[in-house]
Amino acid sequence: EIVLTQSPGTLSLSPGEKVTLSCRASQSVSGSYLAWYQQKPGQAPGLLIYGASRRATGIPDRFSGGESGTDFTLTISRLEPEDFAVYYCQQYDKSPYTFGQGTKLEIK
Amino acid sequence: EVQLEESGGGLVQPGGSLRLSCVTSGFIFSSFAMSWVRQAPGKGLEWVSGISGSGSKAYHADSAKGRFTISRDNSKNTLYLQMKSLRAEDTAKYYCTKGFWTGLFGIDVWGQGTTVTVSS
Repeated sequence: EIVLTQSPGTLSLSPGEKVTLSCRASQSVSGSYLAWYQQKPGQAPGLLIYGASRRATGIPDRFSGGESGTDFTLTISRLEPEDFAVYYCQQYDKSPYTFGQGTKLEIK
Repeated sequence: EVQLEESGGGLVQPGGSLRLSCVTSGFIFSSFAMSWVRQAPGKGLEWVSGISGSGSKAYHADSAKGRFTISRDNSKNTLYLQMKSLRAEDTAKYYCTKGFWTGLFGIDVWGQGTTVTVSS
């Protein structure tokens, strides 16, 4: 099973700041089959990034994904008030298609 | 517009069974993998089970193996999750999700979820 470890667990930031979230895989993720999701309170998650670095339809370009070996990142270049939420990574390379434990972005 | 509508959740006693359904519309159902993802109260996301577009391949998390069965009826555009021997730790909101393609289990659409509560 591929274990995804997200860090940090919680981040307190202000609107306008830049943030980079981390997702480390316990083994190689073939095909860059790594996605990022955003979940706001009381809502279902929504797709942000797939293929490690491809933005989903309608996602603003302040969101970007990166990959270096087994380390994946989600960067938000300038935080908007609506970006404060929980972010999850998921690998869809090998079953079970595991999620990271999530990173919560909260307003400072 | 792609729509996923779950049903079948509810209160069940430990050891009991439940079948979740997900009626879909707005896309060619048989062309896409589908999965169930759950979220316990206040916790993160857990991928539970997935099935290929044709239904020929099914996969389960260890927590679901031997107790949960995922299936689909492509003639009815409907996904199912049969759950038995339910435990308190199965209490969660269960989301029906659509994959990127028939064998790709990334998720591009989520339903609103149906809540399962396992309690005596």
